Amino acid sequence: DARVTQTPRHKVTEMGQEVTMRCQPILGHNTVFWYRQTMMQGLELLAYFRNRAPLDDSGMPKDRFSAEMPDATLATLKIQPSEPRDSAVYFCASGLGLPGLAGGLNKSGANVLTFGAGSRLTVL
Amino acid sequence: KQEVTQIPAALSVPEGENLVLNCSFTDSAIYNLQWFRQDPGKGLTSLLLIQSSQREQTSGRLNASLDKSSGRSTLYIAASQPGDSATYLCAVRGRGSNYKLTFGKGTLLTVNP
Repeated sequence: DARVTQTPRHKVTEMGQEVTMRCQPILGHNTVFWYRQTMMQGLELLAYFRNRAPLDDSGMPKDRFSAEMPDATLATLKIQPSEPRDSAVYFCASGLGLPGLAGGLNKSGANVLTFGAGSRLTVL
Repeated sequence: KQEVTQIPAALSVPEGENLVLNCSFTDSAIYNLQWFRQDPGKGLTSLLLIQSSQREQTSGRLNASLDKSSGRSTLYIAASQPGDSATYLCAVRGRGSNYKLTFGKGTLLTVNP
C-alpha cells in the first residue's frame, strides 16, 4: 500500500528554534506539494516541486521558510526561526505525471494527489 | 486569483439521509476538481476527481457533479452512515503553468446514529 510518509507527526518547540519536517513521497511520483492547514486559513499551498525542481514557492514566507528536495525520496520543509504563528498542521502530498511547462506526461489517471498524515507543529 | 467556497461549513444529519455538499469556484478555467475527505487528526483521502471535460463521477454511494460554466460542484452522499462523519474538502486545479490545487475550507459532516 503506497503512502506518503511524514515525520515528525507531532512537534512542540519554543519560539526561535529551527524546525525541520520531512516527507518521503510515493516511489515514482514526480511532483511534491507542501501545504499548511490552520483553522482560520484552511489549506494553503506553500511549495510545489516537479522532478525535484521548485516550481512555485510563492506561498511560503521566504525569510524563515525553505523547502528542498535533496533527492527523489526526500522533501524537507525548514522553518528558522520558528514563531507561534507557524503553529499548524503541515501536509506533504505527491503525485504523478501532472502536465507542466515542458509538455506533459500521460494525462489519464495522473492527477490524483496522495497526502501524508501531516506534521502537527506547535510553537510556544 | 482562484477562490473556492464550500457551503455549508457544517452539517448534521440523521443516519440514512441523502445529502448534498456544495462547492463553488470563481475561475472556471480549471483543469480538474477533486473531492477529499479528512478525518480528525488525519491526512486527506481523495474521494473523486472530475476532469474539466466531465460532468460527473461516481464511486459507491458518492456522486460528484461539475458545472464548470457556473463554477459549481456538488458531492452527493446517498444513505449516509455514521462512518461518513468527517470534513469534506473540495479542491480545484487551475490551468496555467503551475497547476495549483486551491482548496475550500471544507464542510464538517456529522451523521448521527
